[in-house]
Amino acid sequence: GEDVEQSLFLSVREGDSSVINCTYTDSSSTYLYWYKQEPGAGLQLLTYIFSNMDMKQDQRLTVLLNKKDKHLSLRIADTQTGDSAIYFCAEINPLSGGSYIPTFGRGTSLIVHP
Amino acid sequence: ETGVTQSPTHLIKTRGQQVTLRCSSQSGHNTVSWYQQALGQGPQFIFQYYREEENGRGNFPPRFSGLQFPNYSSELNVNALELDDSALYLCASSPKSGWGTDTQYFGPGTRLTVL
Repeated sequence: GEDVEQSLFLSVREGDSSVINCTYTDSSSTYLYWYKQEPGAGLQLLTYIFSNMDMKQDQRLTVLLNKKDKHLSLRIADTQTGDSAIYFCAEINPLSGGSYIPTFGRGTSLIVHP
Repeated sequence: ETGVTQSPTHLIKTRGQQVTLRCSSQSGHNTVSWYQQALGQGPQFIFQYYREEENGRGNFPPRFSGLQFPNYSSELNVNALELDDSALYLCASSPKSGWGTDTQYFGPGTRLTVL
């Protein structure tokens, strides 16, 4: 079955870069996503990458995809204290009929020290 | 602010009871999805509704059921509550299918505690 793995914690100093890693198992995944969840809030979509891309950059965010190793990473440049949150990686797997089943990782808790 | 609201914010039930959770989507959003997020875990997909019909379901038993209404509101019903049903329940709405390049807008969730 599908499984998405993430390391649970990452601690960085303000101004440094953060790299959050994710591995997935389903090679049929078409899109991969990064979500952010702040305390007491729902999930906020940060960015996504289509499976035929290697890299996507969006302001301070860079997503790298290694499809051969089924490895996804999110790099946050110039990390700020406001970036402290839980980050979830997710893949989607298409079903017949046009619907999708998403699978989320357990989340990486990013702590940014001043 | 995503424009998606959920009620109630918190709820306490006892084992065996039934519960109804509610979600109000943005106007024009034809798709709503429900997720269960246990403490320290990622969200698990329960099901998705598109134009009032179920459009995909995760690995949840039939005692989890849903409804979507024409006024962009929806419900998640859980019968015969079990202790393991204690979790944060999230709904998310989107204009189209909810995935691909379509953004899902999440509500803040309902925290359900089953005693």
